[in-house]
Amino acid sequence: DADVTQTPRNRITKTGKRIMLECSQTKGHDRMYWYRQDPGLGLQLIYYSFDVKDINKGEISDGYSVSRQAQAKFSLSLESAIPNQTALYFCATSDSRQGWSNEQFFGPGTRLTVL
Amino acid sequence: GESVGLHLPTLSVQEGDNSIINCAYSNSASDYFIWYKQESGKGPQFIIDIRSNMDKRQGQRVTVLLNKTVKHLSLQIAATQPGDSAVYFCAETPYSSASKIIFGSGTRLSIRP
Repeated sequence: DADVTQTPRNRITKTGKRIMLECSQTKGHDRMYWYRQDPGLGLQLIYYSFDVKDINKGEISDGYSVSRQAQAKFSLSLESAIPNQTALYFCATSDSRQGWSNEQFFGPGTRLTVL
Repeated sequence: GESVGLHLPTLSVQEGDNSIINCAYSNSASDYFIWYKQESGKGPQFIIDIRSNMDKRQGQRVTVLLNKTVKHLSLQIAATQPGDSAVYFCAETPYSSASKIIFGSGTRLSIRP
């Protein structure tokens, strides 16, 4: 979805390096999420934010941190990357005003390789 | 424990036939279910969702069925087309809690010409 963009799209780094993945959205949604996907598996929630002042841990937050700089921007950081953080990372957004539906809109993903 | 599982990891369907993708869940507290489609190299795309107070919901060429008695969810795609080739994920959540979204591992749907 072109309304949710992620940078970079691909990144190769070395163990111990600090990495930041960026996510921006033009959908005007208040909620944003970071997921991780390993080959052949589903998505696992890392962190989520319901508004600029709200940050919550997901099921696999260890080794990651996030920053919600503005409603439209949500960054994911790996303070000291390790090889088992090699994965595909997705950002997603949703709108709290859409009633009972929790449809999430995903970005194109960032493929991260940690050597 | 909580789990969302898929009965078949791969499914091959003749073009024009109907496809049925199944999903089992174990958390009785889940009251909201979602199907996503993920094409190669792209992010997941929402297909359809359903709440636990429903047993069926229809969209364009897709139908989701929910059987709470046996904790089973299915996605039916009518008149399957080549563009339907993708990995399909089911996910469950208590809709009030984003932290409890649980995704299945996915079923790959391939279309035979």
